Amino acid sequence: GEDVEQSLFLSVREGDSSVINCTYTDSSSTYLYWYKQEPGAGLQLLTYIFSNMDMKQDQRLTVLLNKKDKHLSLRIADTQTGDSAIYFCAESGNDMRFGAGTRLTVKP
Amino acid sequence: GAVVSQHPSRVICKSGTSVKIECRSLDFQATTMFWYRQFPKQSLMLMATSNEGSKATYEQGVEKDKFLINHASLTLSTLTVTSAHPEDSSFYICSARNTGGTYGYTFGSGTRLTVV
Repeated sequence: GEDVEQSLFLSVREGDSSVINCTYTDSSSTYLYWYKQEPGAGLQLLTYIFSNMDMKQDQRLTVLLNKKDKHLSLRIADTQTGDSAIYFCAESGNDMRFGAGTRLTVKP
Repeated sequence: GAVVSQHPSRVICKSGTSVKIECRSLDFQATTMFWYRQFPKQSLMLMATSNEGSKATYEQGVEKDKFLINHASLTLSTLTVTSAHPEDSSFYICSARNTGGTYGYTFGSGTRLTVV
């Protein structure tokens, strides 16, 4: 199966919270990342978490890591239309592996 | 912070020609760089790992004679798509491992290659 898995689509209303989930397989991953990709653009690093952390908060973004279950989530509070994009989670060991990306659609 | 510059951002070339994409680490040295390819609506796929001063390591299914990688210095890796065909049209992104930073990888902004 895939090394990193995430659901493909998420749709929320403006102002609601968005939660994007990801599972990974490499227990030796040092860092786990969330990237944002807008249409036609490169990857923008949103946030990252070191593997010995459980949670990291950065303004509207909250990352939760369950290392036992190899589960990573990204919560976006007060989601805005500008948050509409594809969100990739990634794990890094000797190289970096990405999930397929979750397309977040924010409806006004 | 660590910055990776990728050039060009967009390129259109004729079928059969070669295209070179550059990836530079601007404020750190990168002994290892990575090249990814992204097909429309798909995830990033690792193509190869570029090692300074030695041969690149290619992922299974990636033709090393078609995708030439050169990592001649600690700040520059190049990917040359040789004898390009329309099916090579894709989004190519490089990243560099910043061993001195607070996190390991920095990405370039990507190159949109269109082969006509």
